[in-house]
Amino acid sequence: GAGVSQSPRYKVTKRGQDVALRCDPISGHVSLYWYRQALGQGPEFLTYFNYEAQQDKSGLPNDRFSAERPEGSISTLTIQRTEQRDSAMYRCASSLSPGASYNEQFFGPGTRLTVL
Amino acid sequence: AQKVTQAQTEISVVEKEDVTLDCVYETRDTTYYLFWYKQPPSGELVFLIRRNSFDEQNEISGRYSWNFQKSTSSFNFTITASQVVDSAVYFCALSEAEAAGNKLTFGGGTRVLVKP
Repeated sequence: GAGVSQSPRYKVTKRGQDVALRCDPISGHVSLYWYRQALGQGPEFLTYFNYEAQQDKSGLPNDRFSAERPEGSISTLTIQRTEQRDSAMYRCASSLSPGASYNEQFFGPGTRLTVL
Repeated sequence: AQKVTQAQTEISVVEKEDVTLDCVYETRDTTYYLFWYKQPPSGELVFLIRRNSFDEQNEISGRYSWNFQKSTSSFNFTITASQVVDSAVYFCALSEAEAAGNKLTFGGGTRVLVKP
């Protein structure tokens, strides 16, 4: 079956512009996660959803970052007034059960964001 | 707070050699889960293995094996008879059962280069 998909795969934007990154999880997966991965580092947690409810947004760096999952499927991560330090790979993952720690997370290909 | 440390930043081996990746973790939870993910040059994150904190039995799966020791908080991963296709960055990750959701905390990754 189809895996996690993300779009766009690459996004180049100018500082100060808003960007919206999309994630389409594996069908039937309840939990959806957003991570950010800087070059040469491991992914860092941003936020996660069970169904449409945002359960934890403790990893969002500041209030320029927001995420939604209005119908419990596709999710959008929005970054307002982008800054150069926002440049990174943004990864989405989904897992089958709501908040079950033993479930592995399946990752999408990521969106490479470059802020000029 | 949870933490994962991968002290080796890069390992270079010749094909058919074994390679062992070190992972040390910190957590206050008594129940937790450990994972290894692979990130090949193409950039995706691929789930490899999962281990529960209450099961220290070490296993072998094909050319992969792992050594989980709670006494030293280590979860090492070995690739036997390495192949060029094993060249990738490998990430160790931890999730805590008592924390809300199962967000993953990743180590910084170890780059493995297998030379023919």
